[in-house]
Amino acid sequence: DVKVTQSSRYLVKRTGEKVFLECVQDMDHENMFWYRQDPGLGLRLIYFSYDVKMKEKGDIPEGYSVSREKKERFSLILESASTNQTSMYLCASSRLWDSASYEQYFGPGTRLTVT
Amino acid sequence: DAKTTQPNSMESNEEEPVHLPCNHSTISGTDYIHWYRQLPSQGPEYVIHGLTSNVNNRMASLAIAEDRKSSTLILHRATLRDAAVYYCILTNTGTASKLTFGTGTRLQVTL
Repeated sequence: DVKVTQSSRYLVKRTGEKVFLECVQDMDHENMFWYRQDPGLGLRLIYFSYDVKMKEKGDIPEGYSVSREKKERFSLILESASTNQTSMYLCASSRLWDSASYEQYFGPGTRLTVT
Repeated sequence: DAKTTQPNSMESNEEEPVHLPCNHSTISGTDYIHWYRQLPSQGPEYVIHGLTSNVNNRMASLAIAEDRKSSTLILHRATLRDAAVYYCILTNTGTASKLTFGTGTRLQVTL
């Protein structure tokens, strides 16, 4: 079974802190994604990566950065956390860079609260 | 990007079939139709996808209209574990298989 794991299920951070969310997949997938999910807004794409050290902005990249140093690991970084970044963060992975037919596999999510 | 329209919520009795509709009138010829679902407190889960022909897998069936402007996800026998939010999503190779989630259909299953 494909497994996507995220470093924490719940995280509480203070405003202004630097926050790292880690995601690891074990299926040698090329694509990896970071989404956030908020009530009434659904899932929104923050960043994605189609290869090591490659990244593309999603729909809402402001306030976030990402790092992909190894194929299996994709990190989301909040340089200076703010209360409006309180959300559920979901990581996903999929095969192949240019295929729309391959499904994405999601991790369980990290519920981040910024106080 | 082509958009999808789904009812906000639907109800079903356990053991009965469920037909979840999705309208995508602006679909392009190269758009795939994907369905995902999200159970409470979990990440989304892939259900099924198709391009032009109807598709079946162990979880569900996908019926695609001949003009591809609509599709229907069919759960043949709903169980309580099928209670979830179901998302109908279009993807295209030009968007690098990114998923754009709408608000989906919340399916309630009752005894």
